[in-house]
Amino acid sequence: GAVVSQHPSRVICKSGTSVKIECRSLDFQATTMFWYRQFPKQSLMLMATSNEGSKATYEQGVEKDKFLINHASLTLSTLTVTSAHPEDSSFYICSARDGPRGETQYFGPGTRLLVL
Amino acid sequence: GNSVTQMEGPVTLSEEAFLTINCTYTATGYPSLFWYVQYPGEGLQLLLKATKADDKGSNKGFEATYRKETTSFHLEKGSVQVSDSAVYFCVGIFSGTSYGKLTFGQGTILTVHP
Repeated sequence: GAVVSQHPSRVICKSGTSVKIECRSLDFQATTMFWYRQFPKQSLMLMATSNEGSKATYEQGVEKDKFLINHASLTLSTLTVTSAHPEDSSFYICSARDGPRGETQYFGPGTRLLVL
Repeated sequence: GNSVTQMEGPVTLSEEAFLTINCTYTATGYPSLFWYVQYPGEGLQLLLKATKADDKGSNKGFEATYRKETTSFHLEKGSVQVSDSAVYFCVGIFSGTSYGKLTFGQGTILTVHP
């Protein structure tokens, strides 16, 4: 099946720094990618929908200036957590849809962010 | 509004026991329904899906039937294994949502003991 990778898998940073997380679709083109946040023992919360070549659509309550999303190509989307704070520590997961009408989403393995 | 509700866990079973994880949805139309599984340390994987009423999705011994009358999509397996220990998510794609946005249930942690 389709494979989505994320990099890095784990990152520790100091408060106030920015962190970039990459999401790649390895063997298919993804016009739409999604970014989620998962808290311990909780479900996934959709943060934003990323469309290749256009601005991301953010869910209500998600600060777009803090969580910058760029989808510059059909196989790569990036999430940058700017001026990270300890409360941003979480598990960030991306997914990609297999085509404009595809209903199946393929998920990356996630990135564990710890802000000290 | 549209939502997916699944039974809260955690669920603990012995190997070879029967598994049911309940899932119901609320919607104005008829969503596509999915079960995703998240094994420890791994990303979510699609387990099975059903796109219309009375469809049955099945994979790896798991089954779920899309029942319009009860707005349900319960996950079942006749004989669980230790390797089935994971978090299971019931998920829907609802009519009128853009870009195939997924709506997740709360997730159910399943632990299977030998």
